[in-house]
Amino acid sequence: DQQVKQNSPSLSVQEGRISILNCDYTNSMFDYFLWYKKYPAEGPTFLISISSIKDKNEDGRFTVFLNKSAKHLSLHIVPSQPGDSAVYFCAASANRGAQKLVFGQGTRLTINP
Amino acid sequence: DVKVTQSSRYLVKRTGEKVFLECVQDMDHENMFWYRQDPGLGLRLIYFSYDVKMKEKGDIPEGYSVSREKKERFSLILESASTNQTSMYLCASSFPGGNQPQHFGDGTRLSIL
Repeated sequence: DQQVKQNSPSLSVQEGRISILNCDYTNSMFDYFLWYKKYPAEGPTFLISISSIKDKNEDGRFTVFLNKSAKHLSLHIVPSQPGDSAVYFCAASANRGAQKLVFGQGTRLTINP
Repeated sequence: DVKVTQSSRYLVKRTGEKVFLECVQDMDHENMFWYRQDPGLGLRLIYFSYDVKMKEKGDIPEGYSVSREKKERFSLILESASTNQTSMYLCASSFPGGNQPQHFGDGTRLSIL
């Protein structure tokens, strides 16, 4: 049972345009959401997060939006740059216990010059 | 700077062998995690530990065990390696709290022949 789903395995975007990566979840107990970025041969690195008490969090070119009623979050990258080409994972946690993260399958983003 | 170090980048073992994967973090984190990453499945949690000598099963613990004798070190053990355990293994650590991002090592690519 996949509690966190990224339904697009890949996405291709022109340099300078907006990249939008989507993520859906099923567990209503999730109250914290994170995005990670992964380059080949490296471990994932934390990018941005959002608490369920907010609907938007912004950090430079990266913005995460949360729609709790739809159980949906998205990551916007504006403007997209070649260095943004990577695999992006969304993850969710319920703020109790040992803070396990549940990850989506990942979306491979390719930024074309 | 945050550092999670996995002892091997690449490892080749034979079916039935006992395999040890080692992970060390230098951030004084209480929590440590072992994941495996497979195409189309994202990151799946094998085991985690929230304190020395404490461990909890993740989503796919079968065929694995762990050891945490010191705060900075978390070992993953494949008791009798099988070909379906060929995968990328990722170690992570974090402070307690559902809003604390996990920091990852660069992974160990394990092949079981």
